Amino acid sequence: DSGVTQTPKHLITATGQRVTLRCSPRSGDLSVYWYQQSLDQGLQFLIQYYNGEERAKGNILERFSAQQFPDLHSELNLSSLELGDSALYFCASSETWGSRSPLHFGNGTRLTVT
Amino acid sequence: AQSVAQPEDQVNVAEGNPLTVKCTYSVSGNPYLFWYVQYPNRGLQFLLKYITGDNLVKGSYGFEAEFNKSQTSFHLKKPSALVSDSALYFCAAGGDKLTFGTGTRLAVRP
Repeated sequence: DSGVTQTPKHLITATGQRVTLRCSPRSGDLSVYWYQQSLDQGLQFLIQYYNGEERAKGNILERFSAQQFPDLHSELNLSSLELGDSALYFCASSETWGSRSPLHFGNGTRLTVT
Repeated sequence: AQSVAQPEDQVNVAEGNPLTVKCTYSVSGNPYLFWYVQYPNRGLQFLLKYITGDNLVKGSYGFEAEFNKSQTSFHLKKPSALVSDSALYFCAAGGDKLTFGTGTRLAVRP
């Protein structure tokens, strides 16, 4: 068990809808990362937060947004959903903001857009 | 630009035989290197890391990796494969940011 909790585990929704994915990092970890994993594009980095502040941005669409709250949990909001947004969304946490510390991944949220 | 290459989409090995999963990287400065494993319907799980020091790094479940600076490689190895090692393996390199490879599927046959 990595200590990172993601909810919900599965989400099925229709095109055009909006969903929120939630992540609780491992105790003591200040950094939260969001990744998208699809069959054809591998693991794509979306965004990183450190102690409430956005730290780095990857290939995150404008329809997607995220935030990290004072209690360090994070939410990823996906809006105007398209079929191509169907994927596994992972949250990961680490102790620090840099790339020196290993990441601890949750088990993901599987999003299906119909 | 920073990059990580895993040249093999799949590696097949018989149980009991040694295994190697290849990784090469391109990072400016001294790299931080990691291996992760992903089992079906699970998140990535940290296996081992190289930050500095001994070129041979030992990790979880009997895995080890060899850092080779001249070849910019960080291959994952295990002396004797188990069927339960079958999974998807990701190499990652950190410099100014963390970059993952595309993954290598390891299949260990009984």
